[in-house]
Amino acid sequence: GQNIDQPTEMTATEGAIVQINCTYQTSGFNGLFWYQQHAGEAPTFLSYNVLDGLEEKGRFSSFLSRSKGYSYLLLKELQMKDSASYLCAVRDSDYKLSFGAGTTVTVRA
Amino acid sequence: IAGITQAPTSQILAAGRRMTLRCTQDMRHNAMYWYRQDLGLGLRLIHYSNTAGTTGKGEVPDGYSVSRANTDDFPLTLASAVPSQTSVYFCASSDVAGGPDTQYFGPGTRLTVL
Repeated sequence: GQNIDQPTEMTATEGAIVQINCTYQTSGFNGLFWYQQHAGEAPTFLSYNVLDGLEEKGRFSSFLSRSKGYSYLLLKELQMKDSASYLCAVRDSDYKLSFGAGTTVTVRA
Repeated sequence: IAGITQAPTSQILAAGRRMTLRCTQDMRHNAMYWYRQDLGLGLRLIHYSNTAGTTGKGEVPDGYSVSRANTDDFPLTLASAVPSQTSVYFCASSDVAGGPDTQYFGPGTRLTVL
């Protein structure tokens, strides 16, 4: 099984940078995903890491260290529309995802 | 292309009643999944299907059943609903073929069992 931890809440100012950490303990690792979920909506895919290192996609970047069981999602140049929950998910060798409880990010003007 | 649709959008159900949540995808994905999402617990996998004709149990399968008669449809049935099944239910699908095989989620069904 998977044990996935991420902070419950974070608050940041518009234009700033926020880093959301995710640690995991896994019985089989086959990739790590980050999803964004606005209130009352479905999760939407943000990023995928399977090898160590940084994946950059516009204002969002995701980092993975498999040896440390650690990932982070970096949100740069924060905008009000980035206020949402961010879900860390680990995929096992059977292609099933286990999700963390999510981090609610609030962006203030 | 609609992607994934779920029905109903929301439902209030009396305890003990039978309920089927519907999920249909038009992306020809081979794998489909049902999750429930509860405050503070995140998304938890109920059942999954890697291909038409096969199903498997996830983390929280008790009280739920699924079937996968074809590629597009993956209904979730609560045989006798209980209040602890009050939750938001999300269906997802992915094309498991190596690589990211990203899961795409439907809009969700908000279920309240009284």
